[in-house]
Amino acid sequence: GAVVSQHPSWVICKSGTSVKIECRSLDFQATTMFWYRQFPKQSLMLMATSNEGSKATYEQGVEKDKFLINHASLTLSTLTVTSAHPEDSSFYICSAQPGGDQPQHFGDGTRLSIL
Amino acid sequence: QKEVEQNSGPLSVPEGAIASLNCTYSDRVSQSFFWYRQYSGKSPELIMSIYSNGDKEDGRFTAQLNKASQYVSLLIRDSQPSDSATYLCAVNKITGFQKLVFGTGTRLLVSP
Repeated sequence: GAVVSQHPSWVICKSGTSVKIECRSLDFQATTMFWYRQFPKQSLMLMATSNEGSKATYEQGVEKDKFLINHASLTLSTLTVTSAHPEDSSFYICSAQPGGDQPQHFGDGTRLSIL
Repeated sequence: QKEVEQNSGPLSVPEGAIASLNCTYSDRVSQSFFWYRQYSGKSPELIMSIYSNGDKEDGRFTAQLNKASQYVSLLIRDSQPSDSATYLCAVNKITGFQKLVFGTGTRLLVSP
């Protein structure tokens, strides 16, 4: 149980392209979904928290117009990296939480490379 | 003081030994604690959740929680080379929305 699917797993695209990443909870309803970014050999960095039907809450320093988050249903959240540039290249990971003090369950991550 | 602190390691243990991973946290009101395992280049995977003082066992893994000392630990018995990974301690923080605060992780190396 508690499976989170994230697609795509790998994206390579040109600078200026917008990239959408999907995160789905397959066997549970996720009250809250989270988006993280991780650079090589560094810790997970929380980018934003989203609740179904509400605007996402972004962490300090994360540009909300750059990283658009939509949480349309209790099983789907999307992250769109708009006009991506090489400095946006990173490992993006979503997680989903059923609610209360339940643990977060992570997707497999999306490796984004901007040329 | 960091909210969640872990020794970065690496912690090296021989195969078959017990690996002991430690974590301290600063927020006394925290109620939920988690251990995640992250292999290089992969996303974190939940190993254990613990909410009450004491020990919680699941197979080769035992999580220990002491809220008075603000201390969480993970014991891995009969360590295997496949246990070699970074272990992340995470504490649930309630600030409007709940979110996890992660330690920087302890790298575990199990040698054959």
